[in-house]
Amino acid sequence: DADVTQTPRNRITKTGKRIMLECSQTKGHDRMYWYRQDPGLGLRLIYYSFDVKDINKGEISDGYSVSRQAQAKFSLSLESAIPNQTALYFCATSDPRTSNEKLFFGSGTQLSVL
Amino acid sequence: KQEVTQIPAALSVPEGENLVLNCSFTDSAIYNLQWFRQDPGKGLTSLLLIQSSQREQTSGRLNASLDKSSGRSTLYIAASQPGDSATYLCAVFQGAQKLVFGQGTRLTINP
Repeated sequence: DADVTQTPRNRITKTGKRIMLECSQTKGHDRMYWYRQDPGLGLRLIYYSFDVKDINKGEISDGYSVSRQAQAKFSLSLESAIPNQTALYFCATSDPRTSNEKLFFGSGTQLSVL
Repeated sequence: KQEVTQIPAALSVPEGENLVLNCSFTDSAIYNLQWFRQDPGKGLTSLLLIQSSQREQTSGRLNASLDKSSGRSTLYIAASQPGDSATYLCAVFQGAQKLVFGQGTRLTINP
């Protein structure tokens, strides 16, 4: 089983719909992240969380919200999806106590907003 | 603002060749640099992490170097194999969760 699991793997939705992407991890890491990847732009940080009570905005948080339901779960919501949110979304974890900020990624969620 | 550039965007070589992928960054105030491999449908896998105080790291056929003063890192792949075909990304960590990625080099190893 994957250490960092993202669901769904693919999602097609319409403009204006609310959707949630979910991430769970079995690595026991406190830090979790959401990134989006766009062709030609690399990965950009949307939100990150250092623990259940700590949520922080990243570089491109507008139009997104997150929830850290437990140490192992971090979900990303698009309140009202728009076409330019079409992208590949990645969840990641890290634990600086053991891995020097080495990131461990999920397999990604390909989101298409029509 | 930190900018990370990877050149070339794509590279195709015959199997067995040794090759070098390049990564450059504009701000030398970094904590570490990481190289990742991205396979379609499988997300990113961390290959090597070089702390700012280190010059290189090795793992099997992979060797990554870091020259902070010149803002450059290289990933050396020895005796390339078709299974090495993937996109390779470098990312620099500047603290405060500022991990800046390059756009990647898409590598194809031809049998």
